[in-house]
Amino acid sequence: RKEVEQDPGPFNVPEGATVAFNCTYSNSASQSFFWYRQDCRKEPKLLMSVYSSGNEDGRFTAQLNRASQYISLLIRDSKLSDSATYLCVVNMDSAGSYIPTFGRGTSLIVHP
Amino acid sequence: EAQVTQNPRYLITVTGKKLTVTCSQNMNHEYMSWYRQDPGLGLRQIYYSMNVEVTDKGDVPEGYKVSRKEKRNFPLILESPSPNQTSLYFCASSLSISRQPQHFGDGTRLSIL
Repeated sequence: RKEVEQDPGPFNVPEGATVAFNCTYSNSASQSFFWYRQDCRKEPKLLMSVYSSGNEDGRFTAQLNRASQYISLLIRDSKLSDSATYLCVVNMDSAGSYIPTFGRGTSLIVHP
Repeated sequence: EAQVTQNPRYLITVTGKKLTVTCSQNMNHEYMSWYRQDPGLGLRQIYYSMNVEVTDKGDVPEGYKVSRKEKRNFPLILESPSPNQTSLYFCASSLSISRQPQHFGDGTRLSIL
């Protein structure tokens, strides 16, 4: 049973489009949530943390829905450079330890 | 500059020849971790360390060892590498894993022949 689920995509969108990804998690005691961006064969890089009240960073908006146990990432005005794989990460409470659990990633392709 | 440094970046070696991948962070982070990434499987945690001399198994620890003698260093040891350990490996660190994100090294691409 996968604890963090993401639609692998790919999401293929034109420049300027708005695209949204969801990520569901199974552990209701999960403590913290993040979105990472990973380019091919490169290390994951933190895109943004996800806060309970929702947060925005430029064209990117992240939201958390604890009741339904999912987080989302919205990208507005997509750029070619946004093409990458987006990983959601949930730090899950496991008997007092926090285990970072990664989704398998959602692939985004932005085309001209 | 705050960073996580892995070495080597690339290594091709043969079955059974012991190897060590080093990882060092300069951010005084307590938490460090090793992952492997394989196509279709995503990132899987091998071992992690909550602090000096405190290490624990992740999801796929078989065939690997780690040590945490100093806060900044967390080497990954393959005592007798096998071809199924061919993968892309990442080291990561975090100030506090309960609340803070992880910062990743550049990755080490290992090929075991």
